[in-house]
Amino acid sequence: DQQVKQNSPSLSVQEGRISILNCDYTNSMFDYFLWYKKYPAEGPTFLISISSIKDKNEDGRFTVFLNKSAKHLSLHIVPSQPGDSAVYFCAGSGAGSYQLTFGKGTKLSVIP
Amino acid sequence: ETGVTQTPRHLVMGMTNKKSLKCEQHLGHNAMYWYKQSAKKPLELMFVYNFKEQTENNSVPSRFSPECPNSSHLFLHLHTLQPEDSALYLCASSRLAGPQEEYNEQFFGPGTRLTVL
Repeated sequence: DQQVKQNSPSLSVQEGRISILNCDYTNSMFDYFLWYKKYPAEGPTFLISISSIKDKNEDGRFTVFLNKSAKHLSLHIVPSQPGDSAVYFCAGSGAGSYQLTFGKGTKLSVIP
Repeated sequence: ETGVTQTPRHLVMGMTNKKSLKCEQHLGHNAMYWYKQSAKKPLELMFVYNFKEQTENNSVPSRFSPECPNSSHLFLHLHTLQPEDSALYLCASSRLAGPQEEYNEQFFGPGTRLTVL
């Protein structure tokens, strides 16, 4: 049973527009969430995180929203740039846990 | 060198071979991790080392044998692998892993693409 689900395997967005990547989780013990970005032939790179005590965290063009009641989080990228084209992974973690549980990823393509 | 490095980047081996993957982190972190990423599957945690002590083993077959001689180096020794073990093996490190610690972002290496024939 997948505890972290990214139901869209791919997403295409025009340059300059907003990209919205979604993530759902089932484990109610998760209270910290991270987004990673992965380019081909590279390891995942940490992008942004959010603790469950918040519902929004912003870093430049990237904003993560958390809806605990819906067990849903989303990553907004605005404006989208061609360099944002990559696979984005959502991950959840519980308090005191070593383990990050990852989703399968969403491949974002930003079209110039 | 900066960040997390992994060697080799690509490895092809037969089922009877013995090989090792190497990971080195230059971030001053104390926790290191091995992950496996198979096609169309999420990243799967294999092992966690915290201050050189193995603290997690996610039911990984014994044909994968980790070694952590110090906080900066991590190895994954491979022997008698199966074709289904072909995957991208990623190493990661973080400041500290443990119940007393606040959440630590994990920093990943570029991975070793392993093919078992």
